[in-house]
Amino acid sequence: GESVGLHLPTLSVQEGDNSIINCAYSNSASDYFIWYKQESGKGPQFIIDIRSNMDKRQGQRVTVLLNKTVKHLSLQIAATQPGDSAVYFCAEAEPYNFNKFYFGSGTKLNVKP
Amino acid sequence: NAGVTQTPKFQVLKTGQSMTLQCAQDMNHNSMYWYRQDPGMGLRLIYYSASEGTTDKGEVPNGYNVSRLNKREFSLRLESAAPSQTSVYFCASTRTGAGNTIYFGEGSWLTVV
Repeated sequence: GESVGLHLPTLSVQEGDNSIINCAYSNSASDYFIWYKQESGKGPQFIIDIRSNMDKRQGQRVTVLLNKTVKHLSLQIAATQPGDSAVYFCAEAEPYNFNKFYFGSGTKLNVKP
Repeated sequence: NAGVTQTPKFQVLKTGQSMTLQCAQDMNHNSMYWYRQDPGMGLRLIYYSASEGTTDKGEVPNGYNVSRLNKREFSLRLESAAPSQTSVYFCASTRTGAGNTIYFGEGSWLTVV
């Protein structure tokens, strides 16, 4: 299977600060990535996605950056709020097969008030 | 619009027992998935169904069977449960193809003793 890993298992930030969650992937042919948020006791929730023909995509308070050279992507959350506390996963689609995704182990984001 | 609904939410099984996890979606999605999530881990794909009438193996299919009963429903069966199958199981669905949000159910907590 593919290797999708996260650099930091836990990230603590102060409310109002920006958060950056990182993810590495192993397959240079991968062309589609998704970030998910999972709150305790719930299923993952889609945050934002990016295709490999882009290096940046912005949503509401979130930005995903893709660096294909080093096979790295990051999720930036602006003005982090207590409601952002959750586990964040990146997922990599198997090349040419959008039906199969490989998930990293997740980063837990703690937002301190 | 309930989204993705899976049952049961909690189940305790004895080793060797069988059971079926049920999943239904009301979004007219073509693709449906079953994932498992072990503590502190990301999600691993067990099986998926790209369309009604088709099923394919994911990363960890051993010990499981699936049935795509119709477009709405996708069930996961454990024929002879083992303690290694203790996990949280998530059903998900999406329209096929990149850029389509994957919706997850709330999860089913399964313990095999």
